[in-house]
Amino acid sequence: AQSVTQLDSQVPVFEEAPVELRCNYSSSVSVYLFWYVQYPNQGLQLLLKYLSGSTLVKGINGFEAEFNKSQTSFHLRKPSVHISDTAEYFCAVSIPANAGGTSYGKLTFGQGTILTVHP
Amino acid sequence: DGGITQSPKYLFRKEGQNVTLSCEQNLNHDAMYWYRQDPGQGLRLIYYSQIVNDFQKGDIAEGYSVSREKKESFPLTVTSAQKNPTAFYLCASSSSGTIKLTQFFGPGTRLTVL
Repeated sequence: AQSVTQLDSQVPVFEEAPVELRCNYSSSVSVYLFWYVQYPNQGLQLLLKYLSGSTLVKGINGFEAEFNKSQTSFHLRKPSVHISDTAEYFCAVSIPANAGGTSYGKLTFGQGTILTVHP
Repeated sequence: DGGITQSPKYLFRKEGQNVTLSCEQNLNHDAMYWYRQDPGQGLRLIYYSQIVNDFQKGDIAEGYSVSREKKESFPLTVTSAQKNPTAFYLCASSSSGTIKLTQFFGPGTRLTVL
């Protein structure tokens, strides 16, 4: 089974400052990795995903993440945040088809990180 | 506009009552999922369906039931056996094939048991 740990439950930051939201995962097989964002009382929106290839993944709204296999991490970064980035962010993993079994297609989520951007 | 709709947005229920949450998608996706969200716990998988007329239990299926009679629809029933049903419920769907990639989420239903 796989698991995801988001190391910070809350991250406060000032507007225009850089931010990093940390995500570590555990899995006995290779994984796909995702970051989603959730604004209050709404569903989840995909920010970016890593499936294969380049370990640096660029997503929407200026976010990027780097897959580090040796450290089993997939940290999310933005060089300069805006007030509108205030939201909850979720890291998630899924299992590729060739490693699937009954876990194929299912997402396992971390506990979430609340990012609050202050003026 | 393609997407996932959930209704109602807010739902109130008395203890001991069953209630059904609606999820409809027009993305032509084969796979559909139901998650429960509680503060500080992320999303936990309740049930999922990879094809019509077939579904599997997720990590927290007790006290819930589903059906998948149509590709577009995947309703979730919260039964009176669910001990703590107050939560935010999210429905999602994804494409099928050899690789199931991105899950797309609906806007959610907030259920409150009075």
